Amino acid sequence: QIQLVQSGPELKKPGESLKISCKASGYTFTDYAMQWVKQAPGKGLQYMGWINTQTGKPTYADDFKERFVFSLETSASTAYLQINNLKNEDTATYFCATGYWGQGTLVTVSS
Amino acid sequence: DIVLTQSPVLAVSLGQRATMSCRASQSVSISSINLMHWYQQKPGQQPKLLIYRASNLASGIPARFSGSGSGTDFTLIIDPVQADDIAAYYCQQSRESPYTFGAGTKLELK
Repeated sequence: QIQLVQSGPELKKPGESLKISCKASGYTFTDYAMQWVKQAPGKGLQYMGWINTQTGKPTYADDFKERFVFSLETSASTAYLQINNLKNEDTATYFCATGYWGQGTLVTVSS
Repeated sequence: DIVLTQSPVLAVSLGQRATMSCRASQSVSISSINLMHWYQQKPGQQPKLLIYRASNLASGIPARFSGSGSGTDFTLIIDPVQADDIAAYYCQQSRESPYTFGAGTKLELK
């Protein structure tokens, strides 16, 4: 069956960086684009952008153009979200999704 | 950006029909293809795709869920509502990047 399995929770300090992984199985990885979605605590879903899994070309929503990087390791059917120079407001659960959704990765940024 | 507007809360009795709306600030349809999708999210869980392209039931989703609409106005119906359906429901458009979400409708029991 189709599954997206994300890496575990992260606790980071402001200014640090992190990289979240999203490993896909049960389908051909390059058949579907991958989107990334942020959900702050108690809030709704915020679209971050998507990455073309055939070309590796990322597209970012305006709020996520500065410190966020989408990447792929196609041979491992894995997508990545890197967040640089973490800020308190990055505290959220981050999801990867193709239609099916990963379980989410909780990122907590606190000094 | 396309703004999607959903009512924040809908209160419904078990066994009754729940009708949720999602209004877009501009058309999300191309020819006859309506690029609106619906997700269900229960507390502490990831969202789940319910309906894609306005009216197509996703795999494994019960037939009591249905979707309709075109252009700027879309509807998700749950009939009849069961206890397991208490959740937040989000619409998302894929007509134009960024593929925005609505703020969600929280389905509550009356």
